[in-house]
Amino acid sequence: DAGVTQSPTHLIKTRGQHVTLRCSPISGHKSVSWYQQVLGQGPQFIFQYYEKEERGRGNFPDRFSARQFPNYSSELNVNALLLGDSALYLCASSLLPAGGPIRNEQFFGPGTRLTVL
Amino acid sequence: DAKTTQPNSMESNEEEPVHLPCNHSTISGTDYIHWYRQLPSQGPEYVIHGLTSNVNNRMASLAIAEDRKSSTLILHRATLRDAAVYYCILRDVLQGGSEKLVFGKGTKLTVNP
Repeated sequence: DAGVTQSPTHLIKTRGQHVTLRCSPISGHKSVSWYQQVLGQGPQFIFQYYEKEERGRGNFPDRFSARQFPNYSSELNVNALLLGDSALYLCASSLLPAGGPIRNEQFFGPGTRLTVL
Repeated sequence: DAKTTQPNSMESNEEEPVHLPCNHSTISGTDYIHWYRQLPSQGPEYVIHGLTSNVNNRMASLAIAEDRKSSTLILHRATLRDAAVYYCILRDVLQGGSEKLVFGKGTKLTVNP
């Protein structure tokens, strides 16, 4: 079975531009989460989508938006790019939006490395 | 807003056991303790999780203190492939019943041959 896939692998943009990152979850997974990982730090939560609805949003500006499609794939959009947006953007999928006592592990993709010049 | 604290780095020799500590003094009674690891140039991957009792799986063991304010991830025989950043995580429940993983900086484990 294919794991979580993300595209593109790497991306270079300039300040002020817009970027779209894509994620395909594991087959059967309906929940997709996005995380930003700046060099030397742990991943920080951006969004969670479940059944095409936004279920959670982290402390990120409105320049960040996302959506989930009927096939459960997802896009992360970032407008008006800043130098500080340079990071590894990770997508994670899981069966459910929350686990509670059950495992419900999040499966991460390899990420998209975004460089803003 | 990480709820856990871990040493920045640890070092081990191949074939030896490794004990990775984590403090989570503000843990609530219903919080599960999760461990993920991130190998170089990869996304994080699940290692193990537990609530109160010690847990074992094929990758590792998780020892949870009786007061649940700390836990230890145990790799019984470290291999070079275990070199990674290990994250101890408490999930945050979001409105609407969903959850997010709250990562700290993690512990970078170096395994020497």
